[in-house]
Order: sequence, then C-alpha cells, then structure tokens
Amino acid sequence: IAGITQAPTSQILAAGRRMTLRCTQDMRHNAMYWYRQDLGLGLRLIHYSNTAGTTGKGEVPDGYSVSRANTDDFPLTLASAVPSQTSVYFCASSDSGATGELFFGEGSRLTVL
Amino acid sequence: GQNIDQPTEMTATEGAIVQINCTYQTSGFNGLFWYQQHAGEAPTFLSYNVLDGLEEKGRFSSFLSRSKGYSYLLLKELQMKDSASYLCAVLDSNYQLIWGAGTKLIIKP
Repeated sequence: IAGITQAPTSQILAAGRRMTLRCTQDMRHNAMYWYRQDLGLGLRLIHYSNTAGTTGKGEVPDGYSVSRANTDDFPLTLASAVPSQTSVYFCASSDSGATGELFFGEGSRLTVL
Repeated sequence: GQNIDQPTEMTATEGAIVQINCTYQTSGFNGLFWYQQHAGEAPTFLSYNVLDGLEEKGRFSSFLSRSKGYSYLLLKELQMKDSASYLCAVLDSNYQLIWGAGTKLIIKP
C-alpha cells in the first residue's frame, strides 16, 4: 500500500538515550517533514527536507537531527532524549511543495522517562 | 507573533450542520488548509483555500475571507464518523505552515 510508514509506532525511552524514528515513503515525494503534536498545541515543525540531500530547521529543532540520503527515507534522531521530548511524532510528505497536500504517517508515540 | 484561533471543542447532533471557525493573524498569507484527525490517527487533508469564497466538496465546505483573517469549515448531514478533530493551518509569507490547536468535534446521536 502506497504511503508513509513510521517506526516504531510506540516507544518508552529512558532519558539520556539515543533514539531514531524511521520514516519511509514510496510516493516519490520531494518534500518531507517531521512534526510533533502535543495536547493543546498545534502541530509544530521540527525539521524538513525539500529534496534529497537538503534539510532545514523548523520551529522546534533543538535536540533533534535529520538526514535525507535519498528520496524515500527521512529519519529523525534524538541524540540524548529528555522528558520534554515526550510527544507524538508525525512524518509527512508532499509532492507539491508548501502549497500541496500533506500526507502523514500514522505517528510514533514516544515517552521519555 | 503568529496565531491561529479555533474553538477547543464543539458538540453537534447527527444529521445536523456544524460550522467550525478559524481566525488567523500571520505574517503574510499563501493559503489555508483544513485537515481532519480521528483520535489516535494521522491528519488527513480536507481542503485548501487561497482565494476568497466558498469551496464545496460533498458534505464539507470551506470558506475564506482574507480581509477578515477568517475561515470556516461547514459540515452538513453530520454522521457519527465525523467525530474527530479539525485542524486549521495557514501558509505564511515564508511558506511555513502555522497550525491551530484543533477543534474536537463530538457528534451525538
């Protein structure tokens, strides 16, 4: 089934540990995004990539890093997790840039203790 | 600062009509999106407005007034499956999406 796949779907992590959230899309979309969603707040952009080989910082990039080695994969890494990074993380892609529809993965629920 | 305002929660009856409002103050405007998000699921695209007026798509319609910084999502013939959160998002002058916190819509029989 075409779309975006995220892994893991849920994870509990000790503070200080390193964690990578995986995101893969098979729609050949150029643009990919990582958002976090917290109760009472709108989706907040962490990092984005307009095309393979390029990445940019969003609204809340601190403590996170990304890479875009190819079109399909866009992993998000927490180098040293902290409790404030407890959130639901959504990966998304778009084939029409900023004005295009976003296609979201099913989300990764991360709890940092 | 940039701000998107929408009601936190609304309740409506099955078969009725509901209007979810969204007001925005952003640095520039390049379009407004509505997304639907069922509990525990990913957001899915509903509509995109960049010009003033009403866009109709089946039971859902979206309206935009750029001069008033205002949009609404109109849902007709409500069904139980319409119970979800509805997210308003504005594309600012830098083509960055600014998201509202969402409106949780509860449909009662």
